[in-house]
Amino acid sequence: GAGVSQSPRYKVAKRGQDVALRCDPISGHVSLFWYQQALGQGPEFLTYFQNEAQLDKSGLPSDRFFAERPEGSVSTLKIQRTQQEDSAVYLCASSLGGHRDSYSNQPQHFGDGTRLSIL
Amino acid sequence: GENVEQHPSTLSVQEGDSAVIKCTYSDSASNYFPWYKQELGKRPQLIIDIRSNVGEKKDQRIAVTLNKTAKHFSLHITETQPEDSAVYFCAASTPGSARQLTFGSGTQLTVLP
Repeated sequence: GAGVSQSPRYKVAKRGQDVALRCDPISGHVSLFWYQQALGQGPEFLTYFQNEAQLDKSGLPSDRFFAERPEGSVSTLKIQRTQQEDSAVYLCASSLGGHRDSYSNQPQHFGDGTRLSIL
Repeated sequence: GENVEQHPSTLSVQEGDSAVIKCTYSDSASNYFPWYKQELGKRPQLIIDIRSNVGEKKDQRIAVTLNKTAKHFSLHITETQPEDSAVYFCAASTPGSARQLTFGSGTQLTVLP
C-alpha cells in the first residue's frame, strides 16, 4: 500500500459502547502517532509508538483510551465506555525514523482518519 | 509544552493573488515546522516543511520562512488557484519527546475565481 490506511472510515456507536479503530502504517515506518481532531480544530496528539513500544501516551484524555501496536506494524486505538465528547476524527500518522535516530524529524504521513460519532 | 498560534483563521483572495499565513510557537527548542493542507473530509497532506537550520525554503508556488529569534514562521502561496482552497495547518515539533506535532488551529483559505 502506498499510504497510511485507517479503518473504519466512519463509526457510529451508542454512548457506553466500546470501539476499536485500526491503523495500518506505511510499511517499514518505525514511528506511529495517533491524533484526535475535533471539528474545526487542528489535530491534537494522543500517543506515540516506536516499533511496538508505546513511548508517550501523555495525550490520551482518560484511562478509557488505550492503544497498542503489538508487532510494531498495525496499531489499534480502543475507547471504552464511549462518551459524547469522544466524537471526533481520529487520525493516525507514521514516519520513517524513531524519535532519536538519524531519521528523526522525518515527515509524518497521515491516514484519512476514522470519523467517530457517539450518539 | 509547545503552543502554536496561527492566523488568520479565514483568508479569501482573488485567483492569482498571493496568500500569507503566519504562525508563532512558544518552545525555542522546536526545530521542525511542517505545513499541511486538508481538504474537507480528507487527510492532512504535507505541502512543505522547514528545519530550524534553514531560514527559507521554496517549492514552486509555495514558500516557508522561519524566524527563530522571533519564534514565528510563515507560509506564502503565490499565484493562487481555486484548487488551493482548503484548510492549512502549521505545526511544530520539539526534540526530546516523541517528536509529536503541535498544530495551529488552521486557516480556511478560499481562492475566488
